[in-house]
Amino acid sequence: DAGVTQSPTHLIKTRGQHVTLRCSPISGHKSVSWYQQVLGQGPQFIFQYYEKEERGRGNFPDRFSARQFPNYSSELNVNALLLGDSALYLCASSLDGQNYNEQFFGPGTRLTVL
Amino acid sequence: DAKTTQPNSMESNEEEPVHLPCNHSTISGTDYIHWYRQLPSQGPEYVIHGLTSNVNNRMASLAIAEDRKSSTLILHRATLRDAAVYYCIRNTNAGKSTFGDGTTLTVKP
Repeated sequence: DAGVTQSPTHLIKTRGQHVTLRCSPISGHKSVSWYQQVLGQGPQFIFQYYEKEERGRGNFPDRFSARQFPNYSSELNVNALLLGDSALYLCASSLDGQNYNEQFFGPGTRLTVL
Repeated sequence: DAKTTQPNSMESNEEEPVHLPCNHSTISGTDYIHWYRQLPSQGPEYVIHGLTSNVNNRMASLAIAEDRKSSTLILHRATLRDAAVYYCIRNTNAGKSTFGDGTTLTVKP
């Protein structure tokens, strides 16, 4: 079975632009979470989605939004990019998003904002 | 939500046990404690999780303090492949996962 996949692998944008990152969960998993990992720090929680509904949100500005589709894949959108948005964006899937579930992480999308 | 607190780095000799500590003093009664590890250029990998009781699996053991304000990940015999950044995480029942900044474990042959 394929693991969590993310696209694109790398992305370069300029300040003020918009970006969309994509994630496909493991087959059978209904929950997807998004994280931002700045170099040298631990991942910071952005969103959790379960059955297409937002279940949890971290301390990120409204420029960050996400959605989950009927096939449980997900998109993370970031508007009005800032230099500080440069980071590795990780997607993780789990069976149903319960706090005792194991999360399976994808390899991430490396976003560079110039 | 307060981050978990971990030492920046630890060293171990190969084949010796390693105890990685974590403080989560603001944990609530329904938060689970998870541990993940991350190798360079990879996403984090699940290690173990628990709520109140100590837990064992094929990778490691998790010892949780009675007041749940701290926990310790135990690798019984460190190997070179265990060298990674280890993260201690609070998972709330509101769908939030709070990572600390992790402990970089170096394993010396």
